[in-house]
Amino acid sequence: AQKITQTQPGMFVQEKEAVTLDCTYDTSDQSYGLFWYKQPSSGEMIFLIYQGSYDEQNATEGRYSLNFQKARKSANLVISASQLGDSAMYFCAMRGTSGSARQLTFGSGTQLTVLP
Amino acid sequence: GAGVSQSPSNKVTEKGKDVELRCDPISGHTALYWYRQSLGQGLEFLIYFQGNSAPDKSGLPSDRFSAERTGGSVSTLTIQRTQQEDSAVYLCASSLAPLDSYEQYFGPGTRLTVT
Repeated sequence: AQKITQTQPGMFVQEKEAVTLDCTYDTSDQSYGLFWYKQPSSGEMIFLIYQGSYDEQNATEGRYSLNFQKARKSANLVISASQLGDSAMYFCAMRGTSGSARQLTFGSGTQLTVLP
Repeated sequence: GAGVSQSPSNKVTEKGKDVELRCDPISGHTALYWYRQSLGQGLEFLIYFQGNSAPDKSGLPSDRFSAERTGGSVSTLTIQRTQQEDSAVYLCASSLAPLDSYEQYFGPGTRLTVT
């Protein structure tokens, strides 16, 4: 079984500052993928970034980077230079390689509010 | 190109009625997923299709829930004898293939309200 834990129900950050959203995971799979999605108030799920368990480098996509610490089983999302439009719910998710479903297992999310 | 589409966007139904929710995945995506998101919660996996077959139906919460996919494309999620606890947003996602490196693209969801 896989589990994702996001311990920050809500976070505040000042515009233009960086913020780290925490994510820890638990899995017995040797190979797995970690994802971050953004869900604005409009409801759509927007893919942000992906990290493979065997990737040696931390993933980066524009202002998003994933701080992957495999031994600690953490995959924190770092947003640099926060913008007002970054205010949204952020979900960490993982997909393992065992079983046939290959579904994403999601955490409970972190509500990020960017302050002007 | 066109993303994942879902219809209807909103559905209000009376308790005990049946509902059908539709998902049109991105063209060429072989994997299709249904999730449910209750208010203020994360996403709960329901079912996954590879092509037209569903290898794992264990995520469906009860036998009132069923889903099918035809022609490797459109999928329908059916909820029979709806209950108030079925009220949620039902999200559909598709990906190129069920590999862990492929991200899932989500549709806008169907908000189901059972009164």
